[in-house]
Amino acid sequence: AQSVSQHNHHVILSEAASLELGCNYSYGGTVNLFWYVQYPGQHLQLLLKYFSGDPLVKGIKGFEAEFIKSKFSFNLRKPSVQWSDTAEYFCAESGGSYIPTFGRGTSLIVHP
Amino acid sequence: DTAVSQTPKYLVTQMGNDKSIKCEQNLGHDTMYWYKQDSKKFLKIMFSYNNKELIINETVPNRFSPKSPDKAHLNLHINSLELGDSAVYFCASSQENGRNTGELFFGEGSRLTVL
Repeated sequence: AQSVSQHNHHVILSEAASLELGCNYSYGGTVNLFWYVQYPGQHLQLLLKYFSGDPLVKGIKGFEAEFIKSKFSFNLRKPSVQWSDTAEYFCAESGGSYIPTFGRGTSLIVHP
Repeated sequence: DTAVSQTPKYLVTQMGNDKSIKCEQNLGHDTMYWYKQDSKKFLKIMFSYNNKELIINETVPNRFSPKSPDKAHLNLHINSLELGDSAVYFCASSQENGRNTGELFFGEGSRLTVL
């Protein structure tokens, strides 16, 4: 069965700090990879996605993620976080079935 | 216009009751989903449905049933509610017809509290 692991469950940073959230997936075939963000009290929104091509993907609000096939990883990065980035971040993959499997999420708190 | 809309947003009910949550999407997508988000924020797929196929997560109790009157709607009906059903339920949709990549568009969620 497909699975997605997010190793950081809770991350606390100060504003302007750099961010990297880990994501590893298990599906061995061609995958589509996603990061979704859920701001407090809101629904999930797509942050960025990888389907094919350049493994370095740029998303909204200064986020980027790098697909490293050999490591089955798709880590999310942002060079300088803001207080407004406080949210839950979910990594997801859709392999052969196209039904997305989500990781357990990472709670990010950014102190002003 | 909200692309994926769910009603109600909040639902408080007693154990043993039967309830429904409605979902509508105006994106023209062919596939709709129900996810359950528990108190630890874990998102678990419950159902995936298009006009060809219903895929059920086998761990979902048969008290839960999806009902789709047309491809723009996928309602979730729950019989004999239990305390453990308390969660936020998210509806989502995605494209199909050879272009499905798994990118989801989510509704705002329906918070169910069972007392």
